[in-house]
Amino acid sequence: GQQVMQIPQYQHVQEGEDFTTYCNSSTTLSNIQWYKQRPGGHPVFLIQLVKSGEVKKQKRLTFQFGEAKKNSSLHITATQTTDVGTYFCAGLIYNQGGKLIFGQGTELSVKP
Amino acid sequence: EAGVVQSPRYKIIEKKQPVAFWCNPISGHNTLYWYLQNLGQGPELLIRYENEEAVDDSQLPKDRFSAERLKGVDSTLKIQPAELGDSAVYLCASSLQLGNEQFFGPGTRLTVL
Repeated sequence: GQQVMQIPQYQHVQEGEDFTTYCNSSTTLSNIQWYKQRPGGHPVFLIQLVKSGEVKKQKRLTFQFGEAKKNSSLHITATQTTDVGTYFCAGLIYNQGGKLIFGQGTELSVKP
Repeated sequence: EAGVVQSPRYKIIEKKQPVAFWCNPISGHNTLYWYLQNLGQGPELLIRYENEEAVDDSQLPKDRFSAERLKGVDSTLKIQPAELGDSAVYLCASSLQLGNEQFFGPGTRLTVL
């Protein structure tokens, strides 16, 4: 079945360092969404990318959607302790009845 | 505006017992989702409702799981009987329509002993 793979599974950084997580799908996606889940919390929507090659920024966060709409990345510049949590990508596949398939997430820890 | 409400937040039961989870989505959201999340994994869709109709229940283990959304608003997910492997967090989410951002509730953490 369709899968969305996310790497790395864990990332430990020093505060101020950059962080990137990558997401790859086995099939073309209609759109891709990114969510953040704080420890003990629930997923919270960050952003949605729809167009091929799209790039969006939210302050220190930069999101990209690949040209083939099969991969995406999230880059955080100069991490802060408030960035701690697990970042999930989720790909929407319309020809599967609109199913949103989540990656396994990248857990980010930031050492002050 | 109130978010997605779920209850209970925690539930501990013995195997073979029944359990039910309740979800009240954000007002006006037609689409409701039930997900299962295991530790260290992303949410996995169990069932999706468009209003009161279950439009995707392909991942729901129908021998023991059931769900309903009778009036197209709140929803109940039931497990009967529960097994040890059902221990997980059960998340409910809602969205205005398919493809829009999803708003998640706090989840119910189920422990089956």
